[in-house]
Amino acid sequence: QSALTQPPSASGSPGQSVTISCTGTSSDVGGSKYVSWYQQYPGKVPKLIIYEVSNRPSGVPDRFSGSKSANTASLTVSGLQAEDEADYYCSSSRGRNSVVFGGGTKLTVL
Amino acid sequence: QVQLVESGGGVVQPGTSLRLSCAASGFTFSNYDMHWVRQAPGKGLEWVAVIWYDGSTKYYGDSVKGRFTISRDNSRNTLFLQVNSLRPEDTAVYYCARRAQAAWVYIGDWGQGTLVTVSS
Repeated sequence: QSALTQPPSASGSPGQSVTISCTGTSSDVGGSKYVSWYQQYPGKVPKLIIYEVSNRPSGVPDRFSGSKSANTASLTVSGLQAEDEADYYCSSSRGRNSVVFGGGTKLTVL
Repeated sequence: QVQLVESGGGVVQPGTSLRLSCAASGFTFSNYDMHWVRQAPGKGLEWVAVIWYDGSTKYYGDSVKGRFTISRDNSRNTLFLQVNSLRPEDTAVYYCARRAQAAWVYIGDWGQGTLVTVSS
């Protein structure tokens, strides 16, 4: 299955905001409320940080926010901190019986 | 605490088969839908399969349909992935994962993974 499209890299300075996009189709992102984001540090397992487009699991800082417009979802990290440097993956349901991930975005804190 | 421990990975030749296992503990395994997700070295995540808590329903990613089979044994708190007709592009770390509370499509907990290398 084709992955959702993310930019390979993004960057920002401490304190700034950065937004990562995730583009799909009407069969996944555009037609689903089940859009999520995962954070993965090198050598570690992924962690769910956003679900249902814009909801944060308990313990995830409110600096992380999600949104969606048409076929594109976005993750915004506000007040960037050094610890936010990681890989970020979007995910969406596709139809009723499939899940698809984005290719991942490496976020660098300058 | 939730523990998911995968095993069964290794170096295999193209065309061969493996059975991956995942031993679960720290929660009521039979209450949770379970996933397999893989990640090729230095690459992104790819969803492989999900199985309902009672084994009644199974869904697969397009690239593994017909070759991989997900199953579970709730009496042994163990998840399985039978991987057949392996190809070099199946080389990846295979993660066993538990669904998040919100919906089956989300993953809340991950094992540390088992590496499968397909090479001649």
